Amino acid sequence: GAGVSQSPSNKVTEKGKDVELRCDPISGHTALYWYRQSLGQGLEFLIYFQGNSAPDKSGLPSDRFSAERTGGSVSTLTIQRTQQEDSAVYLCASSYASGRAGELFFGEGSRLTVL
Amino acid sequence: KNQVEQSPQSLIILEGKNCTLQCNYTVSPFSNLRWYKQDTGRGPVSLTIMTFSENTKSNGRYTATLDADTKQSSLHITASQLSDSASYICVVSSNQAGTALIFGKGTTLSVSS
Repeated sequence: GAGVSQSPSNKVTEKGKDVELRCDPISGHTALYWYRQSLGQGLEFLIYFQGNSAPDKSGLPSDRFSAERTGGSVSTLTIQRTQQEDSAVYLCASSYASGRAGELFFGEGSRLTVL
Repeated sequence: KNQVEQSPQSLIILEGKNCTLQCNYTVSPFSNLRWYKQDTGRGPVSLTIMTFSENTKSNGRYTATLDADTKQSSLHITASQLSDSASYICVVSSNQAGTALIFGKGTTLSVSS
């Protein structure tokens, strides 16, 4: 596609339910990032995929959070047993090169609300 | 500790006026500094990326400056338009191995008519 695509754009769920958020990066981009943005806060790094290398999971806040990237393209962020503090906008970004040098292209985000 | 501080937190200006947003950082080692514009409900969009050797970079009415010695950057917006209303985020990249992109909390700019 022309840009980074995320789905769903909005998700409302009940506390304790599992949710899956999807990111389809720009074709050919080897780097993929997940960030979380809470109201009034800066972007919080969650996880980073680069090619076939082991992902950098250092930003995941708890073991309820996990992410996969299949075939070096689409990524899914899974939050198990959601809590109210998980409510935020989850942003995905992709880059042609390593994020330290390459420009990041962001999706529109998935807004998660946990009731 | 690697940090990026932005000021002011929010700003209101009249259409047609200029404004300057500030970014101070303590990130080391430094790789590059980026400014992003994030419209409400949208993802951030890159405005500029500057490396250590670059002092200034322009993108239309947006001009970013970088002083690597004092670890300060500014984003100057000329002849503001209503569409400039957004959050402006400063991001500093480190040369550390891995994914060290440190985000500021942003400056929320409101341009009124």
